Amino acid sequence: NAGVTQTPKFRILKIGQSMTLQCTQDMNHNYMYWYRQDPGMGLKLIYYSVGAGITDKGEVPNGYNVSRSTTEDFPLRLELAAPSQTSVYFCASSYSRDSSYEQYFGPGTRLTVT
Amino acid sequence: AQKITQTQPGMFVQEKEAVTLDCTYDTSDQSYGLFWYKQPSSGEMIFLIYQGSYDEQNATEGRYSLNFQKARKSANLVISASQLGDSAMYFCAMREGYGQNFVFGPGTRLSVLP
Repeated sequence: NAGVTQTPKFRILKIGQSMTLQCTQDMNHNYMYWYRQDPGMGLKLIYYSVGAGITDKGEVPNGYNVSRSTTEDFPLRLELAAPSQTSVYFCASSYSRDSSYEQYFGPGTRLTVT
Repeated sequence: AQKITQTQPGMFVQEKEAVTLDCTYDTSDQSYGLFWYKQPSSGEMIFLIYQGSYDEQNATEGRYSLNFQKARKSANLVISASQLGDSAMYFCAMREGYGQNFVFGPGTRLSVLP
């Protein structure tokens, strides 16, 4: 199993550009999450999904959109990138049958907006 | 108000000694879960240990144990017999209720000295 994979690993965007961060998991997990981690800080939840077709906002959803058309994929869309979106983005997944809801994280995408 | 507080920005411990990383949380839910994650300098997030609010025994995973004091709303991580490879950032996190909204603390940087 590859676990949770994220692409790209690094990206530099100009202000106002858009992009999609890709996230795929091969563990058949129904829950998936997007976090951002600013320098020296903890993770903040952007969006999460409890299954295909179902998404919900986390703590910091503004400026982002998500969709979940399959169990495996949970892309994060940035529209009109701003310098405040410079961060490391982590995707994670977990399984609802596991009472601990342990989250498996991808390696992260480092995004810089200039 | 902060839902997860980690009051120790940085900690030092001598190799082979035990260390306690503090975490206090704030929630009005009766059902919740508490997690600890490790983030080495390479950046990935590694799950360490989980404690459910209804679990009567403190969680243990190898050299990691969670000192859960429900009345004080604290969930401290204890690492026994520290190793050089334990040097990393450590994050305490909470999932409230039966939802999937996770909240992370700001982290504690642990440095293990030879």
